[in-house]
Amino acid sequence: DQQVKQNSPSLSVQEGRISILNCDYTNSMFDYFLWYKKYPAEGPTFLISISSIKDKNEDGRFTVFLNKSAKHLSLHIVPSQPGDSAVYFCAASATASGTYKYIFGTGTRLKVLA
Amino acid sequence: EAGVAQSPRYKIIEKRQSVAFWCNPISGHATLYWYQQILGQGPKLLIQFQNNGVVDDSQLPKDRFSAERLKGVDSTLKIQPAKLEDSAVYLCASSLAGDGIQYFGAGTRLSVL
Repeated sequence: DQQVKQNSPSLSVQEGRISILNCDYTNSMFDYFLWYKKYPAEGPTFLISISSIKDKNEDGRFTVFLNKSAKHLSLHIVPSQPGDSAVYFCAASATASGTYKYIFGTGTRLKVLA
Repeated sequence: EAGVAQSPRYKIIEKRQSVAFWCNPISGHATLYWYQQILGQGPKLLIQFQNNGVVDDSQLPKDRFSAERLKGVDSTLKIQPAKLEDSAVYLCASSLAGDGIQYFGAGTRLSVL
């Protein structure tokens, strides 16, 4: 049972345009979410987080939106740059126990075309 | 600030052999995680330590996998004996106690032949 789903395995976007990566979850107990970027042969790099008390968090070119009723979050990258080409993972955790135990999606490969 | 260090980067073994991976977390990070990432999937948590105590090892195949963090700093993950399906990247991550942000090492790519 996949509790966190990234239904688009890949996405291609022109440089300068917006990239939108989507993530759906099924567990209503999830209340903290992360996005990671991963280059080949490297570990995942933290990008941005959002708590369920917010519906939006912004950091430079990256914005994450959370729709709790739809159990959906999305990562917007504006403007997209060739260096953004990587695999992006979303991760979700329930924090009621006081610890963070993340379930990761399967990733979306973003290719930004110059 | 140094990141999470892992070694070796690559390892090739035959099935039924044993293998060990090492991780040194970011200085001051009390929480350490080991993940398994099979090709085409997201990372899956194997075990979580808080200092030198185990917080969660519910997804660790304990008949063949073991992990320790004896002095609350670096950690080793061992597989004995290895199976073909253990071929994966093994990622170590660390975080400050109570902080949700996890920082990953580059991982160890294991191939079991």
